[in-house]
Parts: sequence; C-alpha cells; structure tokens
Amino acid sequence: AQKVTQAQTEISVVEKEDVTLDCVYETRDTTYYLFWYKQPPSGELVFLIRRNSFDEQNEISGRYSWNFQKSTSSFNFTITASQVVDSAVYFCALSEAAQGGSEKLVFGKGTKLTVNP
Amino acid sequence: DAMVIQNPRYQVTQFGKPVTLSCSQTLNHNVMYWYQQKSSQAPKLLFHYYDKDFNNEADTPDNFQSRRPNTSFCFLDIRSPGLGDAAMYLCATSREIPRDEQFFGPGTRLTVL
Repeated sequence: AQKVTQAQTEISVVEKEDVTLDCVYETRDTTYYLFWYKQPPSGELVFLIRRNSFDEQNEISGRYSWNFQKSTSSFNFTITASQVVDSAVYFCALSEAAQGGSEKLVFGKGTKLTVNP
Repeated sequence: DAMVIQNPRYQVTQFGKPVTLSCSQTLNHNVMYWYQQKSSQAPKLLFHYYDKDFNNEADTPDNFQSRRPNTSFCFLDIRSPGLGDAAMYLCATSREIPRDEQFFGPGTRLTVL
C-alpha cells in the first residue's frame, strides 16, 4: 500500500502566483516524521523541512509555508509569490520503521512544478 | 563546498558488464544510503550502511551490492546490469538515522546499452 500520496503529478503556474502542493500520508506509527525535498533539474535532492508527528504547528520560511494536519493526515506545502527558480520536482516523504526495526524514508511520487515567467 | 560527491555523473555500460558507482562525503556522517530513481518516479532505497552495518532492503535485487571501506566512501556495484537497471542512482548521508536530514549527492545517471 502506498504510504505517501502526492495526487498532483504536474502543476504549472505563472510567476508570482501562489501554489500549494498536496501530500497525504498513511502510517500506523504514533511517532513519525514528515519531510519535503526539492529536486531541481540538476538532480540533487535538497532538504526543505522536517516535521515530527507531535508538532502540528504550521511553519513559515520566507516564501515557503507548511500546513500539517494530523486529522486529515496531510502535510501540504505552499509557495507564495512563486518564482521561476522554484521550478522543480517536489517530494513529500515519511520516515517510518521498516521491517526488522530499520527505519527508512518513503517518498511520494513527486509533484513537478513549473513556474512560467 | 561539495558535501556528497558522486562519480561519475554519467555512466554508460553494456548489458551484463559489471559497473561500480562511487560516493564520497565530507560530512563525517554515520549513515550512507543508495537510492535508485527511475524516470519520473520517486527515489527507492536500495540499502544503507549505519557505520559498517549493512542494511539491505528486502526487494533489492541480488544483482546490486555495496561496499563501504571507510566512513567517507561507499560504492554501489551492479554485477550484471540489465536494461531495467538504467536509472539515476542517488547517494545520500545522514548524521545518525534516516529521520535526520538526508544530504544527497547529484546522482549518477546509468545507461545500459
């Protein structure tokens, strides 16, 4: 069963628009961690944020903000006033305990964001 | 300053010809990971090392092996590459455990002819 769902495969916006990337997760763990990573065309994944399951406070970092809601198992990511440099694939990920107790990151399929000038 | 370095960035090999991808890190992190990412798909964990302890994912094919001779270096060996192994291979590190921030290298894109 898929553990992290990013329903939006591709999104295209015009520069300066706000855009929200959706992430829905599934886990039986009471303690878990959620992440967002950015993968620009160069290929290198870049860490954006980590949130643990006990901290539902929303977070803002510059033009980026995250909305974590345990009630709906969602961890959505909003970019305000998007810029061309925001064009990338964005991955939501969940850290869960795998078989044998070995923890690992499980990634969603990603959302490709294109910001047009 | 490069923190996770992968060489080469592009690798072409022939069907069945062994190939080795390399990864090095300057972060002195305990954990190193290898992910496989096929076109338009999510990265998929192949295995990881916690220090010298090797952790293989259950669905990683036997064709894939790894070595970590020291803290800084980790290698991915593909013994007999098939066409289905063509992908981007990403190396990552984290300080202690997977829930820590993972630092990724730029990846090696493997082509199998």
